[in-house]
Amino acid sequence: KAGVTQTPRYLIKTRGQQVTLSCSPISGHRSVSWYQQTPGQGLQFLFEYFSETQRNKGNFPGRFSGRQFSNSRSEMNVSTLELGDSALYLCASSLGQDRREQYFGPGTRLTVT
Amino acid sequence: AQSVTQLGSHVSVSEGALVLLRCNYSSSVPPYLFWYVQYPNQGLQLLLKYTSAATLVKGINGFEAEFKKSETSFHLTKPSAHMSDAAEYFCAVSARYGNKLVFGAGTILRVKS
Repeated sequence: KAGVTQTPRYLIKTRGQQVTLSCSPISGHRSVSWYQQTPGQGLQFLFEYFSETQRNKGNFPGRFSGRQFSNSRSEMNVSTLELGDSALYLCASSLGQDRREQYFGPGTRLTVT
Repeated sequence: AQSVTQLGSHVSVSEGALVLLRCNYSSSVPPYLFWYVQYPNQGLQLLLKYTSAATLVKGINGFEAEFKKSETSFHLTKPSAHMSDAAEYFCAVSARYGNKLVFGAGTILRVKS
């Protein structure tokens, strides 16, 4: 099976702009989670989607949003970008039942200038 | 609430020596625990998981971890380090519901020749 794919891999944006990141989960996986990784804060959970519904949400401002489509693909959007949003954004997929192992994509490296 | 503490942000071992990476957890429910590895500019790869079955868990690449409830620990070991093991290792605990993972700060493993 193909792994989790994320596009784009690298992105450079200007402060104040918005950005959309895409994630395609492993075939058959219905849960998609997003994480932000930074040197200062480490790996932080953003949100989880299961069957097109947000099931869990981390402590991030409303500028961070996401959605999931009927084919389980997911997108996350960050509006009004700030310098501190520069990070590696990781997507992970799992079968969907609670507390299952998650499989991560390679990430999207977002740089905000 | 769930949390993870990884002791030692950097660990250095000689090639062929024992690898021991420490992880202590806090969980309000029976914990599901995971170890992930991250190589530079890549996503996270699942090494092994504990889900309340056997307390000694074997993973990929010769790694194993032992769950000790009395010590609230889930340390990762490998009998003989290889140069290819140099990477960052993350311990994580699963939240009570859904697939949210709470990660430790990570331990960078350096393997000396």
